Amino acid sequence: EAQVTQNPRYLITVTGKKLTVTCSQNMNHEYMSWYRQDPGLGLRQIYYSMNVEVTDKGDVPEGYKVSRKEKRNFPLILESPSPNQTSLYFCASSLSRTNTEAFFGQGTRLTVV
Amino acid sequence: DAKTTQPTSMDCAEGRAANLPCNHSTISGNEYVYWYRQIHSQGPQYIIHGLKNNETNEMASLIITEDRKSSTLILPHATLRDTAVYYCISGGTSYGKLTFGQGTILTVHP
Repeated sequence: EAQVTQNPRYLITVTGKKLTVTCSQNMNHEYMSWYRQDPGLGLRQIYYSMNVEVTDKGDVPEGYKVSRKEKRNFPLILESPSPNQTSLYFCASSLSRTNTEAFFGQGTRLTVV
Repeated sequence: DAKTTQPTSMDCAEGRAANLPCNHSTISGNEYVYWYRQIHSQGPQYIIHGLKNNETNEMASLIITEDRKSSTLILPHATLRDTAVYYCISGGTSYGKLTFGQGTILTVHP
């Protein structure tokens, strides 16, 4: 089954404690992205990756890092989480840059206290 | 990417067709119209997309006006499980980026 898998689904952490949210897709997609969703602000792109070792900033990259060492994995790293990063996070993948049939993970609800 | 305008909310009776409008008056000739939906904080789900012609798949139909300034997503027989936020996205994509607006909250009533 084609899918994008995020882990964990829920996470409560404390300010400053480094964390990683994993994302994996099994469709051999080139493009992967991370979004955050906040009430009243909708879905906003954090980072994207066009292929292995190729990543770039989206609209709200501050406080986040990503890596793309393998095609299937695109982890989101919060080196020093802060309460304003409390949000619902989604990973997405698509076949190519011009193909907007994106597949989304089930989301990770992060709370930073 | 072209900006889209959708009604904030709509209601539909179960079993009836749900017609969700979207205005994209600034769309350019090579930009597509895409529809996604999001059910209760789950990941957005692709529904359908089109350029000029009307499109139909197992989930929905997409009707695009001749001038391409607006479109309508049709769910032919809405069910309670179709209650969701529906997003209309027009334009090309920049490196896989999807620019979501606020969408339409569709509520399907028994």
